[in-house]
Amino acid sequence: DIQMTQSPSTLSASVGDRVTITCRASQSIRSWLAWYQQKPGKAPKLLIYEASILKSGVPSRFSGSGSGTEFTLTISSLQPDDFATYYCQQYNSYSYTFGQGTKLEIK
Amino acid sequence: QVQLVESGGGVVQPGRSLRLSCAVSGFIFSNYGMHWVRQAPGKGLEWVAIISYDGSKKSYGDSVKGRFAISRDNSKNTLYLQMNSLRAEDTAVYYCVPSALSGSGGYFDYWGQGALVTVSS
Repeated sequence: DIQMTQSPSTLSASVGDRVTITCRASQSIRSWLAWYQQKPGKAPKLLIYEASILKSGVPSRFSGSGSGTEFTLTISSLQPDDFATYYCQQYNSYSYTFGQGTKLEIK
Repeated sequence: QVQLVESGGGVVQPGRSLRLSCAVSGFIFSNYGMHWVRQAPGKGLEWVAIISYDGSKKSYGDSVKGRFAISRDNSKNTLYLQMNSLRAEDTAVYYCVPSALSGSGGYFDYWGQGALVTVSS
């Protein structure tokens, strides 16, 4: 099975900061990677799919990049609404895997 | 609009069984693969199972293989998860999720509200 490793597990940042979260796959997943945002008590929300395609309606300060085994989610200028937990997910095979999550906290 | 309504959650003793249902509306259910994804309290997301659009192909996560069974009834627009031999570590919110309604692929653009399953004696 493909393992997904996110880093860091926790990230402290301030409003206006640029932040990057990394997701590494244990084997190549081409560009079959999605990013989600989740707030406490709520279902996850899709932000990006196919590594870099922004879902319609998601603010342009979110961007994704990468292919193969290394991927990044970047938030260009943090807004108060962005403090949440972020997950990557691979869908390269008929067995799907999430990263363990990155909690983005207010510094 | 897309609606995914899970039901059947509750408290169950270890070793017992439970069946979750997910009633779907707002898209052509029989055209899409469907998944179950779960989240234990305070933990991350875990993919549980997938069933193809016609029910012919199924796949499971290692932690539930042999104990859980995913199925669907396209005439009723309903997805199921039969959970047998439940363990404390199966305690989680279970989400019903379609495969990529807005495109193609195995990403999840719509989520249900989730059903809480608690396994406890």
